Amino acid sequence: GENVEQHPSTLSVQEGDSAVIKCTYSDSASNYFPWYKQELGKRPQLIIDIRSNVGEKKDQRIAVTLNKTAKHFSLHITETQPEDSAVYFCAAINNDMRFGAGTRLTVKP
Amino acid sequence: KAGVTQTPRYLIKTRGQQVTLSCSPISGHRSVSWYQQTPGQGLQFLFEYFSETQRNKGNFPGRFSGRQFSNSRSEMNVSTLELGDSALYLCASTPSGLATYNEQFFGPGTRLTVL
Repeated sequence: GENVEQHPSTLSVQEGDSAVIKCTYSDSASNYFPWYKQELGKRPQLIIDIRSNVGEKKDQRIAVTLNKTAKHFSLHITETQPEDSAVYFCAAINNDMRFGAGTRLTVKP
Repeated sequence: KAGVTQTPRYLIKTRGQQVTLSCSPISGHRSVSWYQQTPGQGLQFLFEYFSETQRNKGNFPGRFSGRQFSNSRSEMNVSTLELGDSALYLCASTPSGLATYNEQFFGPGTRLTVL
């Protein structure tokens, strides 16, 4: 079955800096890669997603890149703000949904 | 539209008991997926239901089961509870399923504690 690895597990940046979170997957048939943000005590919320026929997608300060050959995808957050502090999960979908272990991002003001 | 709702929000059970959790999807959504979230194992996929049929299943023992009704509401049942079943159980709904690139909307979760 699918295995998704996510790094780093924790990430601390200064406000205004960029943050990058990386994920790799094992199932080459995976075709949809969403990223979720989960604040403490709250439900996961989709922040950006990418399909397997696209290499990069951007939405304001957030971007995702996908390298299908290498089977890895990354989340990039630019100009980080304290409200970006949360746990971020990557996921890969074929017929089921496999999540990475999560990255706890802390943005220091 | 109302969001995904889950009941109950909190539950305390003892080992060996069984439990049923409920999830009401967003109106018009026909797919409901269930997930277990624990500090040690993270978010794990349990199963997906679409039009009253289980479409996909994760790697969980047979003690975990579910069903979906004609109005798309879904229930998840865990029998013979173990301490390790303590977790936040999340459900999520999409219009037409996991494999269709639709955004999943999560419910607030049910926090299950097994004593």
